[in-house]
Amino acid sequence: EPEVTQTPSHQVTQMGQEVILRCVPISNHLYFYWYRQILGQKVEFLVSFYNNEISEKSEIFDDQFSVERPDGSNFTLKIRSTKLEDSAMYFCASRRPGQGADEQFFGPGTRLTVL
Amino acid sequence: EDQVTQSPEALRLQEGESSSLNCSYTVSGLRGLFWYRQDPGKGPEFLFTLYSAGEEKEKERLKATLTKKESFLHITAPKPEDSATYLCAVQPPNNNAGNMLTFGGGTRLMVKP
Repeated sequence: EPEVTQTPSHQVTQMGQEVILRCVPISNHLYFYWYRQILGQKVEFLVSFYNNEISEKSEIFDDQFSVERPDGSNFTLKIRSTKLEDSAMYFCASRRPGQGADEQFFGPGTRLTVL
Repeated sequence: EDQVTQSPEALRLQEGESSSLNCSYTVSGLRGLFWYRQDPGKGPEFLFTLYSAGEEKEKERLKATLTKKESFLHITAPKPEDSATYLCAVQPPNNNAGNMLTFGGGTRLMVKP
């Protein structure tokens, strides 16, 4: 069964460093998402991406964050200058096109630890 | 602002003891309500989508129902392997292509053998 994959599974970085989190969505999906979950808190929406552009973003997704689909399979989230409060699980999700195809399928997550 | 509230926060059951989890929502014109299962340290795993009041979906020991203000996830004769956090999420009307999900805080279910 096709699934969303994410790398790395755990990333440790120093405050102020740049990190890139990588995702490979399910192959026939066209809508891509990033969410994050701070330990013990709700899953929060960051950004959605379709047709090579951002379609929606939350207040969390400020100018320190960016997303890119550099080729036909990868979808990345970049944090330019990490802060302590960026420590969280980051989940990528994807959704197939079509009417009634609203469910999003999530990857296993990348645990980001900022020291 | 869209709100999703799940109760209880935690639920302990004996194996075989049926119960229900609640998800109440306030959203202007719900497009869809979703149930996910999340195991510790893992990503949410899709379970059900519900679109309209009165709709029901079933999968093994789980049944999800929807009213105009809330959804229930009924667990019949649970087994220890059903232990997980169950997340509810809502999707507002499709005003744009984003289709973002707003999640509740989850119910942590523990089923004892």
